[in-house]
Amino acid sequence: GESVGLHLPTLSVQEGDNSIINCAYSNSASDYFIWYKQESGKGPQFIIDIRSNMDKRQGQRVTVLLNKTVKHLSLQIAATQPGDSAVYFCAETSLNTGNQFYFGTGTSLTVIP
Amino acid sequence: NAGVTQTPKFRVLKTGQSMTLLCAQDMNHEYMYWYRQDPGMGLRLIHYSVGEGTTAKGEVPDGYNVSRLKKQNFLLGLESAAPSQTSVYFCASRPISTDTQYFGPGTRLTVL
Repeated sequence: GESVGLHLPTLSVQEGDNSIINCAYSNSASDYFIWYKQESGKGPQFIIDIRSNMDKRQGQRVTVLLNKTVKHLSLQIAATQPGDSAVYFCAETSLNTGNQFYFGTGTSLTVIP
Repeated sequence: NAGVTQTPKFRVLKTGQSMTLLCAQDMNHEYMYWYRQDPGMGLRLIHYSVGEGTTAKGEVPDGYNVSRLKKQNFLLGLESAAPSQTSVYFCASRPISTDTQYFGPGTRLTVL
């Protein structure tokens, strides 16, 4: 079966520092990856995505890196702000899973003012 | 444009009772999904639908049924609730043109 996991369940950073959240996956056929942010009491919110034909994709203050060799992706948040405090999930899908998404367990990011 | 909405927001059931969770989206999305979220675990797919009148099983379908009679609505039913079904349930939808899912605010269900 699928296995999508995160290296660290919690992460604390100082406001203004950069944050890096990691995610590992096991399906070498995975071809699409998404990072979601979930604030307390709310549903997951899309942050950024990347396809398997790319190694890096940048958004506003966020960057996703994909290393297909070791089946690892990361989310980098630049100049972390208190509003970034949330749980972050990675999710992956592939054609051979019928477009079903598999989610990681999540990393809780706390930004210290 | 309300996006994805879920009804109710909270519910407490006794073991053996039945209930239906309603998901509605006003974005004309083809795909709709039901997930459950439990502490220490990622979102797990219960059932999904690729269009009106069609449904399919996900990773953890046992104990649940779904229906998609209208494109904008996706109903999740529990015929005989069990304490193991205590969870937060999320609905999501996406258009056929993209893989990005849009989530509702969730329904917190407790089964006593």
